Amino acid sequence: EAGVAQSPRYKIIEKRQSVAFWCNPISGHATLYWYQQILGQGPKLLIQFQNNGVVDDSQLPKDRFSAERLKGVDSTLKIQPAKLEDSAVYLCASSRARDGYTFGSGTRLTVV
Amino acid sequence: GEDVEQSLFLSVREGDSSVINCTYTDSSSTYLYWYKQEPGAGLQLLTYIFSNMDMKQDQRLTVLLNKKDKHLSLRIADTQTGDSAIYFCADNMLTFGGGTRLMVKP
Repeated sequence: EAGVAQSPRYKIIEKRQSVAFWCNPISGHATLYWYQQILGQGPKLLIQFQNNGVVDDSQLPKDRFSAERLKGVDSTLKIQPAKLEDSAVYLCASSRARDGYTFGSGTRLTVV
Repeated sequence: GEDVEQSLFLSVREGDSSVINCTYTDSSSTYLYWYKQEPGAGLQLLTYIFSNMDMKQDQRLTVLLNKKDKHLSLRIADTQTGDSAIYFCADNMLTFGGGTRLMVKP
């Protein structure tokens, strides 16, 4: 089966600009996660979707970050406006059941 | 909030066994996972253990779970240079440890 697709692979923006990341999960996977991984750290959960509903967004900085999963398939994560400390790799993962999670390769964001 | 802790670094010789340790605080954790991350890549699920199990073995990998001490370990038998990577433990996919960098020397 095809893996979790993420784009773009890399993005460089200036602070205060906006940026959007896209994730296409594995077909049939109802659960989708977005994580932020800062260099040298483990992934930090930003938001969890079950189909097109939000299960957990308690760690999402809602003043600047937003995410949606229309029709319960693809998802986008947006940052507006970006800050220097948002520089990180943004990872998307999906699963059908709790015994199998697949991560995408991530989008590396650099804010200058 | 809940926390997951790992040691930062482990170095072993090729052919030896590696043991990577993890402690967690969430007593309601039902699934605990081990992931491997190679440079520039996403995370690869290695194995997982359900909270009602003490041990799980999968080829060269053995996971031990001590629920009383909230301690999880991953043992890699006959460690190879291709096992060099960063290993993360995670509970319920919600909280990840900071990662243990495994270096395997030939």
